[in-house]
Amino acid sequence: DAKTTQPNSMESNEEEPVHLPCNHSTISGTDYIHWYRQLPSQGPEYVIHGLTSNVNNRMASLAIAEDRKSSTLILHRATLRDAAVYYCILRVYGGSQGNLIFGKGTKLSVKP
Amino acid sequence: DSGVTQTPKHLITATGQRVTLRCSPRSGDLSVYWYQQSLDQGLQFLIQYYNGEERAKGNILERFSAQQFPDLHSELNLSSLELGDSALYFCASSAAVEQFFGPGTRLTVL
Repeated sequence: DAKTTQPNSMESNEEEPVHLPCNHSTISGTDYIHWYRQLPSQGPEYVIHGLTSNVNNRMASLAIAEDRKSSTLILHRATLRDAAVYYCILRVYGGSQGNLIFGKGTKLSVKP
Repeated sequence: DSGVTQTPKHLITATGQRVTLRCSPRSGDLSVYWYQQSLDQGLQFLIQYYNGEERAKGNILERFSAQQFPDLHSELNLSSLELGDSALYFCASSAAVEQFFGPGTRLTVL
């Protein structure tokens, strides 16, 4: 599986936008970019995913570089509840594989 | 609430023992995944079942086994437990893209 690189930690102020970067220079054409987050003492939860185009949903936006070697998860207004570990994961579709390969992720702290 | 339930929430046992963790997926989800989260290894995929059949295997030890029943619930069996098996065990279910994770079972091996 192609690897992703994320900063170990980031800090943000409440109600400000947060940009969480992810590098995936060895991404292949069939890899989708997924983001999950894990709040303290909870299981991971899906945030967003995309292939080539930028994506928006109620939780976040995903900006994907034109060469697809990097992406950025954007939280438009961070809240205290967004403090979590954010995982950027590459996932291939098709065939029988569907499991997620988690890296170390980025621990996001949100200050009031 | 993800709709995935796991029992028990906590489990404390001794080395050498055997335990069974249970997972009920979201209604209608055919795929069930098991993950292990420990401090040193992070979140690791163990095994996936799809509609009763094993679909993919990850870093699952031979002492561990799983199955998915006709009603789609799944069980993860851990035997000959060692101290290093102490971890959080998550189950996730999926119908398509998104995986929905349960709250986990915290296993402590003494």
